[in-house]
Amino acid sequence: EAGVTQSPTHLIKTRGQQVTLRCSPISGHTSVYWYQQALGLGLQFLLWYDEGEERNRGNFPPRFSGRQFPNYSSELNVNALELEDSALYLCASSSLRGLYGYTFGSGTRLTVV
Amino acid sequence: DAKTTQPPSMDCAEGRAANLPCNHSTISGNEYVYWYRQIHSQGPQYIIHGLKNNETNEMASLIITEDRKSSTLILPHATLRDTAVYYCIVSSSGNTGKLIFGQGTTLQVKP
Repeated sequence: EAGVTQSPTHLIKTRGQQVTLRCSPISGHTSVYWYQQALGLGLQFLLWYDEGEERNRGNFPPRFSGRQFPNYSSELNVNALELEDSALYLCASSSLRGLYGYTFGSGTRLTVV
Repeated sequence: DAKTTQPPSMDCAEGRAANLPCNHSTISGNEYVYWYRQIHSQGPQYIIHGLKNNETNEMASLIITEDRKSSTLILPHATLRDTAVYYCIVSSSGNTGKLIFGQGTTLQVKP
C-alpha cells in the first residue's frame, strides 16, 4: 500500500512569491491534514480537510490556504512568502477523522530566501 | 485538547526496554492517548493509541493508569533505529482534526 505522498520534496522560493504544495493521501482516507514544522520548533497544525471541505484551521494568516479535491488529494497554497515561512510542511491523512491515528508523509522542505 | 508533560530526554541501552512516561492530568473522558515518533527530518510515525485499556502492537505497548492521568510507552527491545523524538498526545481529534504536538522526549538508544 502506498503511503502519503508529497511533492515536491524540496523547493526554494523568493520572498513575496507564491507556492503550491501537493499531497496524495492513502487510498481510502478521506481526511487530509497539514502541519508546519519550522527549524527547531514543534509541529503546528495548519489545516484539516475532510470530504472536500475545510473543517478546521490553525492560527495562521489567510495567505495560507488550501483545498481538497474529489479524489481526496490536497493542495496547500502559501501567498506572499515570508522568510519565516521556511519550514518542513507535513501532510497527513486518516480515515474516520483520525480516530485510529494519522499517517504522515515525508514532507516538503520549503526554503524562502 | 489536554496538554501533556514529557521528560525532554532519555537514554536507553540497546536491547533493553525503553519506558517513556507521559503525564496528562487534564485528560477528558473522550480523549485518546496517542504516541508518535519523529526520526530526524522525517514525518512523524504513528506508534500506538489507547483510551482506557492497555494496548500492544508490533511496535510497542501502551500502559494507561486507571485514572488515565498518565501513561507509559514501552519499546520492549530498543534498537539504535528507535532513536527519535517521541510525542505523547491526547486528543479527541475527530472533532477538531488537530493534534497538539509538544516538545516530546528525545530518546537516545546507545550501543
